[in-house]
Amino acid sequence: AQSVTQLDSQVPVFEEAPVELRCNYSSSVSVYLFWYVQYPNQGLQLLLKYLSGSTLVESINGFEAEFNKSQTSFHLRKPSVHISDTAEYFCAVRILSGAQKLVFGQGTRLTINP
Amino acid sequence: EAGVTQFPSHSVIEKGQTVTLRCDPISGHDNLYWYRRVMGKEIKFLLHFVKESKQDESGMPNNRFLAERTGGTYSTLKVQPAELEDSGVYFCASSPGQGGNEQYFGPGTRLTVT
Repeated sequence: AQSVTQLDSQVPVFEEAPVELRCNYSSSVSVYLFWYVQYPNQGLQLLLKYLSGSTLVESINGFEAEFNKSQTSFHLRKPSVHISDTAEYFCAVRILSGAQKLVFGQGTRLTINP
Repeated sequence: EAGVTQFPSHSVIEKGQTVTLRCDPISGHDNLYWYRRVMGKEIKFLLHFVKESKQDESGMPNNRFLAERTGGTYSTLKVQPAELEDSGVYFCASSPGQGGNEQYFGPGTRLTVT
């Protein structure tokens, strides 16, 4: 079975500061990795994903995540956050073949202070 | 193209009553998933349809939950009779096929059982 741990339930940062949201996973088989974001009063949206190839993946709004197989991590980073990044962020995994269900972490609520 | 839609957006019912949640996936998506988030915990998988067939229902909590997808289009999730611990946000997602394809989520239905 797979499991995902997001180490921080809440992360408060100041606007324009850097941020890192941590995600570690456990799986006996290879997985795909995802970060989803839920803005206030909206549904979940895919932020970025790692399927294969380069271990560094980027989103269109400046977030990036790096797949580290040895540390089984997929931390999310942004060098300078904006008020509009206020949201809850979810890390998720899916095994490569067979069951297609996503296994989610507990979520990290990112709060940006002016 | 319309996204995944869910109805209702909110539902408040009393313990012992019945509630039916509806999900309309993106047109042409064969895969449809139900997830649930209870009391700020992690989002958990409930079940997965491929067209009208249940591919994986390993996450269904008990026999009070019944999911259907007649004709392989929209899906319903019925809870009968509802219990207090069923309160939470029920998400539906859809995806077009195999591989690491993104799952597109709906806005969720917030169910409150009093």
